[in-house]
Amino acid sequence: DFQMTQSPSSLSASVGDRVTITCRASQRISNYLNWYQQKSGKAPKLLISGASSLQSGVPSRFSGSGSGTYFTLTITSLQPEDFATYYCQQSYGSVRSFGQGTRVEIK
Amino acid sequence: EVQLVESGGDLVQPGGSLRLSCAASGFSLGTYWMSWVRQAPGKGLEWVANIKHDGSDMYYVDSVRGRFTTSRDNSKNSLYLQMNSLRADDTAVYYCARVGPSVFGAFDYWGQGTLVTVSS
Repeated sequence: DFQMTQSPSSLSASVGDRVTITCRASQRISNYLNWYQQKSGKAPKLLISGASSLQSGVPSRFSGSGSGTYFTLTITSLQPEDFATYYCQQSYGSVRSFGQGTRVEIK
Repeated sequence: EVQLVESGGDLVQPGGSLRLSCAASGFSLGTYWMSWVRQAPGKGLEWVANIKHDGSDMYYVDSVRGRFTTSRDNSKNSLYLQMNSLRADDTAVYYCARVGPSVFGAFDYWGQGTLVTVSS
């Protein structure tokens, strides 16, 4: 099975900051890596699929990169509505798995 | 508009059973893989199961394999999760999610979730 490890587990940032979250896979997963945003009490929302493809309607300040075992989600110029928990998820294997999440809090 | 609506969550005793349903609308259910994802209180997301568009293949996380069974009735636009031998650590909000059409298989639409509480 594929284990996904995110870092950091949480971070504090200010509006306007640039934020980068990393996700490492225990085995190579090519670019079968997706990113989700979850706000408190709500269902997750797909942000990026295939490591770097931004979903329709997602602001361009979000971007993803990586391949193999190392991936990043970057938010340039953090906005108030971006404070949430972010999850990576691999879709390479038949058995899917998520990272443990990264909580982005207001500094 | 794509909509997924889960139901069936409840309080159940350890060792008990429960069947969750997910009603799909706004798309042709029979052309998509579907998934179940759960989230224990205050914890992260955990993928639970996938089912192929025609119901011929299913995959499960190790912790539920042999206890949970996912199925579907495309004619009724419905997805199901039969949960048996429930344990306290199965307590979670259970989401159904659509596996999107791209080759990357991301979960592009989610329901609002239904809460399952396993407690005596």
